[in-house]
Amino acid sequence: DVVMTQSPLSLPVSLGQPASISCTSSQSLVHNDGDTYLNWFHQRPGQSPRRLIYKVSNRDSGVPDRFSGSGSGTDFTLKITRVEAEDVGVYYCMQGTHWPPGTFGQGTKLEI
Amino acid sequence: EVQLVQSGAEVKKPGDSLRISCEASGYSFTNQWIGWVRQMPGNGLEWMGLIFPRDSDVRYNPSLQGQVTISADKSINTAYLQWRSLKASDAAIYYCVRGHGLDVWGQGTVVSVSS
Repeated sequence: DVVMTQSPLSLPVSLGQPASISCTSSQSLVHNDGDTYLNWFHQRPGQSPRRLIYKVSNRDSGVPDRFSGSGSGTDFTLKITRVEAEDVGVYYCMQGTHWPPGTFGQGTKLEI
Repeated sequence: EVQLVQSGAEVKKPGDSLRISCEASGYSFTNQWIGWVRQMPGNGLEWMGLIFPRDSDVRYNPSLQGQVTISADKSINTAYLQWRSLKASDAAIYYCVRGHGLDVWGQGTVVSVSS
């Protein structure tokens, strides 16, 4: 299975400050079709996860533009330009290139 | 609006059988993969498997193969996750998800297993 490694695992941030989460895969996530199936999810306490970013850098509908994804191959980053109170929770990266199974990172807990 | 509505919380004993469900609406059920993600207490997310309802092709996480069964009834747009004999370690929140990209999630079903 592809191993996804996130850092940091805990991310204290002040309101209005930027935040960045790294995700590294144990092998390239470039699919035979040329796309890279790396997604980012956000889970608020007590809620279901919600997808924020798909295929590295595409924001899902309704996701604020302060969220952005970047990267290629095995190294990926989720950035928040200015953290807001509603951004607290756990962020997960997940690869869908080499499935089954899809694999998630360990999660990064963002706290204000 | 695309929605995945899951069945309610379950409290079971070790050795019990169980089937939980996920009813999809707002899209063509037979044309997209649908499946399950597990979240054990205090832990992260684990991809369990997906089914393509049109032909019932199922892809499991190899680590879980044989422990659960994923199925779907396309006549009622519903996917299922089933256990023949629960263990205490099956206690978790189970999320229904749509597609390879997991773009839509259900509200979660809490499964408690205790003697």
